[in-house]
Amino acid sequence: DAKTTQPPSMDCAEGRAANLPCNHSTISGNEYVYWYRQIHSQGPQYIIHGLKNNETNEMASLIITEDRKSSTLILPHATLRDTAVYYCIAGDSNYQLIWGAGTKLIIKP
Amino acid sequence: EAGVTQSPTHLIKTRGQQATLRCSPISGHTSVYWYQQALGLGLQFLLWYDEGEERNRGNFPPRFSGRQFPNYSSELNVNALELEDSALYLCASSRDRRYEQYFGPGTRLTVT
Repeated sequence: DAKTTQPPSMDCAEGRAANLPCNHSTISGNEYVYWYRQIHSQGPQYIIHGLKNNETNEMASLIITEDRKSSTLILPHATLRDTAVYYCIAGDSNYQLIWGAGTKLIIKP
Repeated sequence: EAGVTQSPTHLIKTRGQQATLRCSPISGHTSVYWYQQALGLGLQFLLWYDEGEERNRGNFPPRFSGRQFPNYSSELNVNALELEDSALYLCASSRDRRYEQYFGPGTRLTVT
């Protein structure tokens, strides 16, 4: 399975868009990119996933580059409740997903 | 729609004892996954059950085992507890292995 690389931490001002990058240069053609977040000591929460095309839902947008080697999760209007660890994971089966350390996103008032 | 539930919320055991953790998936989900998350670390895959069968396990010793019941709920058993087994144990369910996972709140296991 592809491994992903994320910055360990990021800050964002409340009300601004939070853009979280992820590199997955070894991703294969049938592997999806999943994003989850985990608020302190709670179970992770699914955000969004995609294969090739950009995706949008009520929580976020996922932009995947044409070569699929990187992606960006966009939280359009960050709130304090978006402070969490964000995990970018690549794989074709849930049981094979490798969860890294993620990005700790801190939303500042 | 009820989410994934786990019990108990907290569990304190002494070294050498056995622990049993329980998980109820979202209605209609047949796949259940178990993860271990040590303090400050990412999730480590433990076990995957689907349609009552163990489909895959992570790199954990055999004293970590479990089962899935006909109603798709699941149990994780940890025998001969060691201090390093102290962690948050998370259960997740999905429609199948490719779909997004939905996680429960976890069981915090402390081994003293």
